[in-house]
Amino acid sequence: DGGITQSPKYLFRKEGQNVTLSCEQNLNHDAMYWYRQDPGQGLRLIYYSQIVNDFQKGDIAEGYSVSREKKESFPLTVTSAQKNPTAFYLCASSHHRDSQDFFGQGTRLTVV
Amino acid sequence: GENVEQHPSTLSVQEGDSAVIKCTYSDSASNYFPWYKQELGKRPQLIIDIRSNVGEKKDQRIAVTLNKTAKHFSLHITETQPEDSAVYFCAASPNSYMDSNYQLIWGAGTKLIIKP
Repeated sequence: DGGITQSPKYLFRKEGQNVTLSCEQNLNHDAMYWYRQDPGQGLRLIYYSQIVNDFQKGDIAEGYSVSREKKESFPLTVTSAQKNPTAFYLCASSHHRDSQDFFGQGTRLTVV
Repeated sequence: GENVEQHPSTLSVQEGDSAVIKCTYSDSASNYFPWYKQELGKRPQLIIDIRSNVGEKKDQRIAVTLNKTAKHFSLHITETQPEDSAVYFCAASPNSYMDSNYQLIWGAGTKLIIKP
């Protein structure tokens, strides 16, 4: 539901490994976003993209990378450089900035 | 840049009473103010939003008010019910979507607890 799909829902990673979180939307939205949420905390912006082949760093981009090769897809890679990657990751999209964000169901990443 | 502060961090009200959550913002150019509800372990869902050319908006038991002069906006929930228990986030959009670096700036969230 909601037209934006994140996968997987739960993900376990060993320390030192890179892992990629998927985000796909069929809403024809131009803008897509990745947020990180820690327990009891608000949303912090990691990266965002307003158009294909373009993306910008958010507030906490270090240790993360993204790509936007297709309008529908905005995958997030959590690299080994991210020191504390265990968190809940939310992907969102919007038609333009002053319209609502549609959120995916989230991916809960745990480093073991 | 824009900064959004949200208060209180936790709010406990008796079922049937009203709840009010307040947010302040710093950038007078902000023009879009959504409120999201996040239930435990789920994605945030938009519940109501307001634009800077409107002072108040209502949707059944939920209302949002905006005071542009004071740069604050509030969420009002009347006749609270157990299913209103969740974390509520406010946000502000400081730029027009035509700007190259626009984004939503989020408050830290308010945990609303409805006591039976």
